[in-house]
Amino acid sequence: DAGVIQSPRHEVTEMGQEVTLRCKPISGHDYLFWYRQTMMRGLELLIYFNNNVPIDDSGMPEDRFSAKMPNASFSTLKIQPSEPRDSAVYFCASSLMRGGSYEQYFGPGTRLTVT
Amino acid sequence: EDQVTQSPEALRLQEGESSSLNCSYTVSGLRGLFWYRQDPGKGPEFLFTLYSAGEEKEKERLKATLTKKESFLHITAPKPEDSATYLCAGAGGTSYGKLTFGQGTILTVHP
Repeated sequence: DAGVIQSPRHEVTEMGQEVTLRCKPISGHDYLFWYRQTMMRGLELLIYFNNNVPIDDSGMPEDRFSAKMPNASFSTLKIQPSEPRDSAVYFCASSLMRGGSYEQYFGPGTRLTVT
Repeated sequence: EDQVTQSPEALRLQEGESSSLNCSYTVSGLRGLFWYRQDPGKGPEFLFTLYSAGEEKEKERLKATLTKKESFLHITAPKPEDSATYLCAGAGGTSYGKLTFGQGTILTVHP
């Protein structure tokens, strides 16, 4: 399996611009997670989906952030408008939570820089 | 609120010098305690899941253990390629998906 795929790997944008991050989970997995990692705050869960339905978005920092999962093989995280404090590495992870196994598998991440 | 605290923040070892990393947790209704390895510029890589106190799991030079309050990642005779950040995370309550991560321990193994 190719693992979790994220694009782009790096994104540099100016403050105020819209940013869209993309994720393709591992085929067959029924959970998808979006995380943000910074030096100050570590790895934080933003939102997660089960069978394409958002379950918990309490980690989404502001209304500027939105996430969608239109089908089982694709999800997006959008920031509009972007701000310098959004600069971080964003990870997508997926999981198959059956049979007592709950581990999450992470993608390589998207490094976002907002100037 | 669930909390996971890792110590030390950084650990420098000589090759072959065994040691342990600590993960203290306050997670309501712990469903699982997870260990991940993260190399620079990459996503976390899954290592172990522990589900109940007393459980142990091993993989090569790594052994993870779990008590009711903490977990340890023991590294036996480490090699330079074991250098990485090790992350601990807990999942609690009714939400198997909601992991609370610690800040990580940066391990450096010198040849």
